[in-house]
Amino acid sequence: SQKIEQNSEALNIQEGKTATLTCNYTNYSPAYLQWYRQDPGRGPVFLLLIRENEKEKRKERLKVTFDTTLKQSLFHITASQPADSATYLCALDPNAGNMLTFGGGTRLMVKP
Amino acid sequence: DGGITQSPKYLFRKEGQNVTLSCEQNLNHDAMYWYRQDPGQGLRLIYYSQIVNDFQKGDIAEGYSVSREKKESFPLTVTSAQKNPTAFYLCASSPTGWTEAFFGQGTRLTVV
Repeated sequence: SQKIEQNSEALNIQEGKTATLTCNYTNYSPAYLQWYRQDPGRGPVFLLLIRENEKEKRKERLKVTFDTTLKQSLFHITASQPADSATYLCALDPNAGNMLTFGGGTRLMVKP
Repeated sequence: DGGITQSPKYLFRKEGQNVTLSCEQNLNHDAMYWYRQDPGQGLRLIYYSQIVNDFQKGDIAEGYSVSREKKESFPLTVTSAQKNPTAFYLCASSPTGWTEAFFGQGTRLTVV
C-alpha cells in the first residue's frame, strides 16, 4: 500500500542546534515533494518544494533533500529558534494531478 | 487581499443533521481541496476539484459531498452518514501544476 511516513514522536532540540525531520514514502514515484509548517489550530503554510531531479533546495535557514532511490526527504532547520516550534508536514502529489497527499507530521519543540 | 476563507471557524452539529462548510478563494486557482485532520494526526484528503463542475473522491469521501459550481467556491457538506464527523476541516487551493497549496484557517466541527 502507499504510505507517507513521518516520525510521530515529537523532536525536542536546544535553541541554536540543527533540527532534522524525515519523510519516507513507499509505493509512490512523486515528481516533487513539499514541506509545510502548521501551528496549532491553524492551516498549514507552504515552506519548500523540491523536484525529483533536484537533490537539495535551500531557503534561508531551511534545507530540503530528496533521495528518490531511498524514497526519502530530509528537512533541516539550522540555527533553530523557539519560534520554529511547530508541526512540520511533508506532502506529495502521487499522480502529478493536483492531489496532494500528506504525511502525519512531526512536532518540533525548540527549547531556549 | 487575496486568500482563501473558510467559515464558520467553529460549528456545532446535532447527530443526524447535515451541515455545510464554506470555502471561498479569490486567488483565481483552478484546484481546490478538502482535508480532515483529527487530533495529533496528519491531513486526510476528502475531495478535490481541478476544474469547475468536476471533482474527485479522496481517501475518505464516505459521508461527505461537495459541489464546484463556481471557480472560487468549493463547499463541503458533512452528511448524517458520516459516523464520526468531529474534526478540524481544512480547505486549500492551488494553481494547476507543480506548485504550493494555500490553506484556509480551518473549521472545527463538533457533534453534540
